[in-house]
Amino acid sequence: GESVGLHLPTLSVQEGDNSIINCAYSNSASDYFIWYKQESGKGPQFIIDIRSNMDKRQGQRVTVLLNKTVKHLSLQIAATQPGDSAVYFCAENRRGGSYIPTFGRGTSLIVHP
Amino acid sequence: NAGVMQNPRHLVRRRGQEARLRCSPMKGHSHVYWYRQLPEEGLKFMVYLQKENIIDESGMPKERFSAEFPKEGPSILRIQQVVRGDSAAYFCASSPRPATTGNTEAFFGQGTRLTVV
Repeated sequence: GESVGLHLPTLSVQEGDNSIINCAYSNSASDYFIWYKQESGKGPQFIIDIRSNMDKRQGQRVTVLLNKTVKHLSLQIAATQPGDSAVYFCAENRRGGSYIPTFGRGTSLIVHP
Repeated sequence: NAGVMQNPRHLVRRRGQEARLRCSPMKGHSHVYWYRQLPEEGLKFMVYLQKENIIDESGMPKERFSAEFPKEGPSILRIQQVVRGDSAAYFCASSPRPATTGNTEAFFGQGTRLTVV
């Protein structure tokens, strides 16, 4: 079936470094993507989104890149901080014929002080 | 504006009992999604509801699980005759727009952690 998947299950970085979390999707009909952050014991929290008519979008310390040719998303976090430690999920808003947020497995980001 | 509220936060049930999980969406949101998350796993879609209607339940097990979103009150996810494999975190999300538009950002609650003993 079609799915959203992540390349790296765990990413360890030093405080102050930049982090890049990758995500592959396979539903070519997907046209809206969201990155969520989930801290331990909490629900997913919206970070940033991007529509398929864009290839880059920037937020505060975060940038999402979309490459539709290879169906790839990435989340870049600048100057990573210990508070950024969490599991990050990308979600595409397609499930079959309807727009339902569909999640990949997630990447655990560990930031070492 | 309060966020998505789920209760209880933690629920312990013995095998064979019923579990009822409640979700109050954000104010003004009439679209609710339920997800299940196992440890070290992603969120798996279960069901999408609008007020008084189940729109998509393709991710929900055919037996023992049911969901509703009445005209008044919270959305309820009901699990009958629970088994140990039902132990998981159950998350609810709400959206102001239907899942027929592309930019349906969903806001999540803190989840209910169900433990079946």
